[in-house]
Amino acid sequence: EPEVTQTPSHQVTQMGQEVILRCVPISNHLYFYWYRQILGQKVEFLVSFYNNEISEKSEIFDDQFSVERPDGSNFTLKIRSTKLEDSAMYFCASSEGFSGGLLLAKNIQYFGAGTRLSVL
Amino acid sequence: AQSVTQLDSHVSVSEGTPVLLRCNYSSSYSPSLFWYVQHPNKGLQLLLKYTSAATLVKGINGFEAEFKKSETSFHLTKPSAHMSDAAEYFCVVSYNAGGTSYGKLTFGQGTILTVHP
Repeated sequence: EPEVTQTPSHQVTQMGQEVILRCVPISNHLYFYWYRQILGQKVEFLVSFYNNEISEKSEIFDDQFSVERPDGSNFTLKIRSTKLEDSAMYFCASSEGFSGGLLLAKNIQYFGAGTRLSVL
Repeated sequence: AQSVTQLDSHVSVSEGTPVLLRCNYSSSYSPSLFWYVQHPNKGLQLLLKYTSAATLVKGINGFEAEFKKSETSFHLTKPSAHMSDAAEYFCVVSYNAGGTSYGKLTFGQGTILTVHP
């Protein structure tokens, strides 16, 4: 079964450093998402991305964050200058479509196993 | 704003006994409701989804959920727990508020299910 792949599984960085989290979505999917989960808290939506543009973003997704689809297979999340509070598990997801009111099979989001980011 | 509340952070059952994981959502336009499961070191896997075609939804691995609009609930059940069901379960909601939702999912805080032999 096709799956979403995230690398690395664990990333350790120093505060103020830039990090790039990588994701390979399912190949025929067109919509891509990042979520994060701070330890002990809920999984939170960060951003959705379609047709090389951000479709929607949360208030968490400030100027320190950016997303990119640099080639036909990867989808990346960049944090420019990491803070201690960026430490979290980051999940990538992809779907064929999006949940725009019609709940079709193609709108289901498939998630990767996550990247645990530790900012020291 | 949309929200979802999972009423139990931990649930512990014995193998072979029923499982009930509780979820309530905030009422809004046409919610889409899901349950996802996460096993250790694995991605979030879809268990089932509410399509509005039927209030009782069947998912994988014998799980079911019933959508009750009057109670704004979407509880997850399984008649008989198996050791392999031990995992973290997330109730998730998505809304189409005026057609501007581009797939944003809102998660509950998760329920860790422990299954004892």
